[in-house]
Amino acid sequence: DTEVTQTPKHLVMGMTNKKSLKCEQHMGHRAMYWYKQKAKKPPELMFVYSYEKLSINESVPSRFSPECPNSSLLNLHLHALQPEDSALYLCASSRDQGQTYGYTFGSGTRLTVV
Amino acid sequence: AQSVTQLDSHVSVSEGTPVLLRCNYSSSYSPSLFWYVQHPNKGLQLLLKYTSAATLVKGINGFEAEFKKSETSFHLTKPSAHMSDAAEYFCVVSDPGNQFYFGTGTSLTVIP
Repeated sequence: DTEVTQTPKHLVMGMTNKKSLKCEQHMGHRAMYWYKQKAKKPPELMFVYSYEKLSINESVPSRFSPECPNSSLLNLHLHALQPEDSALYLCASSRDQGQTYGYTFGSGTRLTVV
Repeated sequence: AQSVTQLDSHVSVSEGTPVLLRCNYSSSYSPSLFWYVQHPNKGLQLLLKYTSAATLVKGINGFEAEFKKSETSFHLTKPSAHMSDAAEYFCVVSDPGNQFYFGTGTSLTVIP
């Protein structure tokens, strides 16, 4: 298995809703990442988990809450989002945070906040 | 500090003609460099990577890139464009901690 699987592919939520994005990989990678990508822009790093511990939080608002229950799974919990949070959310993984192997990206979740 | 400059925001080529997407980098370290492609509403797919081995790197779908340290460049080329190559392309440099620094992207249009 050489894929990063993200669910759901599309999500529409109201500003008062609570939802979660899910990311899964079975490549034995020990670093996992959340990125946010707006249209026509490069991805922006949100969070990095290394060996299931949060190692980087790029000053993301608390309405985004990451969770890494095990080495294969990464969640992003969403609460009280704003319309400007609408974007493509990408998950990625790599063998290790300290090695330059490159990342494997998932196909993303297209989030619309109404 | 690491950074990447993609010199063209848009490139348009005719089908069957060569593709050149330009990337210059700045790095305090011996860099690792990558090219990723993103088709509309899709994730990013790795095309190729340079990690201090051969300076001419061959990737998937006929793409290749040459690392030129003296010019701090890592340009992406393909001899003959296909319609399926139309997409957004990102040049990326990583630091020793494997943190990625993305270029602003180049949108490739292929004209039939």
